[in-house]
Amino acid sequence: AQTVTQSQPEMSVQEAETVTLSCTYDTSESNYYLFWYKQPPSRQMILVIRQEAYKQQNATENRFSVNFQKAAKSFSLKISDSQLGDTAMYFCAFMRRYQETSGSRLTFGEGTQLTVNP
Amino acid sequence: DGGITQSPKYLFRKEGQNVTLSCEQNLNHDAMYWYRQDPGQGLRLIYYSQIVNDFQKGDIAEGYSVSREKKESFPLTVTSAQKNPTAFYLCASSGDLRVKNIQYFGAGTRLSVL
Repeated sequence: AQTVTQSQPEMSVQEAETVTLSCTYDTSESNYYLFWYKQPPSRQMILVIRQEAYKQQNATENRFSVNFQKAAKSFSLKISDSQLGDTAMYFCAFMRRYQETSGSRLTFGEGTQLTVNP
Repeated sequence: DGGITQSPKYLFRKEGQNVTLSCEQNLNHDAMYWYRQDPGQGLRLIYYSQIVNDFQKGDIAEGYSVSREKKESFPLTVTSAQKNPTAFYLCASSGDLRVKNIQYFGAGTRLSVL
């Protein structure tokens, strides 16, 4: 079974600064996908960024980037130029490669509440 | 607009009562999922369905039931056997899992016990 651990329950950052959220996971799989989702106060889950394990290049989406260390099983999210709208709960999630018998299930970490201060 | 619609937004259950949460998607996605979210915890998988008329138990299926009679719909019933149903419930869907495995979420239903 896969597990995902987010060791920082809460973090805060000043507007315009950079913050990094940590995530580690445990799996015996070699092909898998990793995700960061954000959940603002509206509770809507929004995909932030996605990483394919077979790709060595770290994914980036505008102000969001990841540091994917496959050997260390680490997948951190860096938010640059933080904005007030980035205030949300951030979840790291793992998905094994699709299989006919088990589909594609997401395993979530417990989340990190990020607050961006003006 | 394409998306996932969950209803109602808020739901109250009396003791011994079964309640059904609705999830409809117009994204033409094959797979659909139900998650439960408790305070301070991540999402946990209740049930999922990869195709019509087929579904599988997730990690916490006890006390819940689902059906998948149509591609667009995946309702979740919280039965009286679920002793602690108070939680936030999220429905998700995804397209071709071999190519695009991103799950898209609805806005959720908050269930409380009276």
